[in-house]
Amino acid sequence: DIQMTQSPASLSASLGETVSIECLASEGISNDLAWYQQKSGKSPQLLIYAASRLQDGVPSRFSGSGSGTRYSLKISGMQPEDEADYFCQQSYKYPYTFGAGTKLELK
Amino acid sequence: QVQLQQSGAELVKPGTSVKLSCKASGYTFTSNHMNWIKQTTGQGLEWIGIINPGSGGTSYNVKFKGKATLTVDKSSSTAFMQLSSLTPEDSAVYYCARYQLPGYNWFAYWGQGTLVTVSS
Repeated sequence: DIQMTQSPASLSASLGETVSIECLASEGISNDLAWYQQKSGKSPQLLIYAASRLQDGVPSRFSGSGSGTRYSLKISGMQPEDEADYFCQQSYKYPYTFGAGTKLELK
Repeated sequence: QVQLQQSGAELVKPGTSVKLSCKASGYTFTSNHMNWIKQTTGQGLEWIGIINPGSGGTSYNVKFKGKATLTVDKSSSTAFMQLSSLTPEDSAVYYCARYQLPGYNWFAYWGQGTLVTVSS
């Protein structure tokens, strides 16, 4: 299985601060990488797909980058509604696997 | 609009089975694969498997082979997942999730989740 190592596990950011979350795949995944946001008690929501493409309706302060085995999610200007858990997921091969998640809180 | 409506929470005894449902609407049910995903606090998100509603063909995460069985009822546009020989480790929230589009293998649509609690 492809292991997805996500960091940091938790993060605290001030309003307007830029934050980054990283995922390292155990092998190359050819940009088959998605990022999800999950708010408390809700289902995950797709933010970014194909490593860098913004899902319709997602604010432009969210962006994704990376290639090969290293990928990152950036939030340019933390907002209160961005408090959530964030997960990466590889769809390169079965079984699809997820990162362990990053808990983002507003400082 | 695409909607995935999952069945309600289940409290089940160890050793028994449970069958969860996911009713799809807003699109042609047979046009897009359905995935099932497990979420626990300890293990995070785990992909269980996928079913092609058109053909009934399935692929499973090896970890869940023998534990989960995926089926569909095309007449009601509903996907099912049966979990067998339940143990407390099967306690989790289970989601059905659909790809954005065929060939775009990320989960753009999720059900609301079904909480399964295994306890005597």
